[in-house]
Amino acid sequence: DSGVTQTPKHLITATGQRVTLRCSPRSGDLSVYWYQQSLDQGLQFLIHYYNGEERAKGNILERFSAQQFPDLHSELNLSSLELGDSALYFCASSVELVGGSGELFFGEGSRLTVL
Amino acid sequence: DAKTTQPNSMESNEEEPVHLPCNHSTISGTDYIHWYRQLPSQGPEYVIHGLTSNVNNRMASLAIAEDRKSSTLILHRATLRDAAVYYCILRDAMNRDDKIIFGKGTRLHILP
Repeated sequence: DSGVTQTPKHLITATGQRVTLRCSPRSGDLSVYWYQQSLDQGLQFLIHYYNGEERAKGNILERFSAQQFPDLHSELNLSSLELGDSALYFCASSVELVGGSGELFFGEGSRLTVL
Repeated sequence: DAKTTQPNSMESNEEEPVHLPCNHSTISGTDYIHWYRQLPSQGPEYVIHGLTSNVNNRMASLAIAEDRKSSTLILHRATLRDAAVYYCILRDAMNRDDKIIFGKGTRLHILP
């Protein structure tokens, strides 16, 4: 158990719909990262938040948005869903802002299926 | 884009050592080398990291080339449970906008 909680674990929805994925980081961790992993693909970096502030963006679609709340949990919002958005979405947390020697802790992921 | 290059897949026999290579020719002086692995149907998990010197922990060893342009993750005695995708990534200690780019990693197959 990494201490990172993601909900829901599985989600099936239709094209055009909107979903929200939730991530609770480990206690005390201020950084939250979101990744997308499509079938047989590597981890695609989406976005990084630190203590409520957006710090870095990857190839995140305009239909996707995220935020980190004062209690440090984070939500990833996916709208106008397309079939190609079907993927595993992972959240990771770490205590520090900068890179270096810090360890990332990943949740078990949310599997999104768009029909 | 990933700043590291790894073979797509490797095979090894159970109970034998495994050497997983990673090239990072554009590494900077403040980049740490990290390894993570992703077991089937799970999120990635931390394996080991280092800066310049070789490192050992209970899971693996990390051998870093003298010029730091490559590194090797060593599993001393592979088991079937080590079958996973292994990712080599760089994390800059000076970067406050840390994107942490993972590539596709190396898929390790362990043969019984």
